[in-house]
Amino acid sequence: GDSVTQMEGPVTLSEEAFLTINCTYTATGYPSLFWYVQYPGEGLQLLLKATKADDKGSNKGFEATYRKETTSFHLEKGSVQVSDSAVYFCALSYSGGGADGLTFGKGTHLIIQP
Amino acid sequence: DAGITQSPRHKVTETGTPVTLRCHQTENHRYMYWYRQDPGHGLRLIHYSYGVKDTDKGEVSDGYSVSRSKTEDFLLTLESATSSQTSVYFCAISSGQGNTEAFFGQGTRLTVV
Repeated sequence: GDSVTQMEGPVTLSEEAFLTINCTYTATGYPSLFWYVQYPGEGLQLLLKATKADDKGSNKGFEATYRKETTSFHLEKGSVQVSDSAVYFCALSYSGGGADGLTFGKGTHLIIQP
Repeated sequence: DAGITQSPRHKVTETGTPVTLRCHQTENHRYMYWYRQDPGHGLRLIHYSYGVKDTDKGEVSDGYSVSRSKTEDFLLTLESATSSQTSVYFCAISSGQGNTEAFFGQGTRLTVV
């Protein structure tokens, strides 16, 4: 079946550091890929998405590129802030979250220190 | 913010008792989902609905049932709660059109003692 693999962390960085959170996937078809973020005590919010190979999703300074050849969707940000501390989930879906829903990775806990 | 309300937000119950969690949406989205979130597992799909009275099982459906009698409400029932069902439960909705995102509720923290 389909699966998503990401580093679990916690990942601890200093403010203004460069961030990479790796995400790789296994899928039988050509899914859409997503990054969701969960702040403490809250539900998940969509951070960015990409629907086909070579698409780049971006939002709030975060970027991720859909790499079909390496089955990856790594999340990057050039300069992190304390407010970026959260849990980040990589996910895939064949129909944008409709029909069969999303398949999630286990989540990466990110801690940014001032 | 998408109009999704989960109730209750917190619940403690005893092993063997029935429990029902409610998800209410005001977006008129077709698809609704129940996920559970556990450390080391991320989010896993329990059940989903693709219309009124149309539901299907997800990855971890054993011990859970669902009902959707109206577009706006999706109920998750634990017929006889067990300690392994202690978790945080999230409801999500999606229009399912094209590659639209799923919107999540705030979650329900359930503790089975």
